[in-house]
Amino acid sequence: AQTVTQSQPEMSVQEAETVTLSCTYDTSESNYYLFWYKQPPSRQMILVIRQEAYKQQNATENRFSVNFQKAAKSFSLKISDSQLGDTAMYFCAFMEYGNKLVFGAGTILRVKS
Amino acid sequence: EAGVTQFPSHSVIEKGQTVTLRCDPISGHDNLYWYRRVMGKEIKFLLHFVKESKQDESGMPNNRFLAERTGGTYSTLKVQPAELEDSGVYFCASSHADTQYFGPGTRLTVL
Repeated sequence: AQTVTQSQPEMSVQEAETVTLSCTYDTSESNYYLFWYKQPPSRQMILVIRQEAYKQQNATENRFSVNFQKAAKSFSLKISDSQLGDTAMYFCAFMEYGNKLVFGAGTILRVKS
Repeated sequence: EAGVTQFPSHSVIEKGQTVTLRCDPISGHDNLYWYRRVMGKEIKFLLHFVKESKQDESGMPNNRFLAERTGGTYSTLKVQPAELEDSGVYFCASSHADTQYFGPGTRLTVL
């Protein structure tokens, strides 16, 4: 069975600085997707970024980028120029094609002014 | 375009009662998923519909949980009778391809 591990329960960062959230996963599959979702306090969970395993190029969405290391089964999220609105719980998730999501335990990120 | 909606946002019930949660997916999304997050634990998969058919219900905890998706549109998740350990946040998600979009969740408290 696939597993996803987020080893950082909580992190904090100063506004405008950069922070990296860690995620590792375990699978025997070669084709899959990886996602980062964020859930702000008392708000809806939204997609931050996705990566397809067959693509070697790391995904980027504005201030959010990933470092995808397929051989190491690592999928970290880098947030540049952190903003107060980035404060949220961040979930790393794995998905086989057309299948269910398997989530990590989440990392609470607090951006401080 | 409207997102995934869920009703109610909160529900507080007594042990032994019945509760029905509803999810309306994004229009045109054939895939509908239910997930649950019990306090302090990870978000866990419950089941997956493709249109009105159950594709995968391997995550359903027991036969007190019944999910339906009438006509391949909205879905309901009924818990009967509710137990204390059923408390948590129930999320619904829908997808057209491989990216799932989540609803705001229903927070269920069983007393």
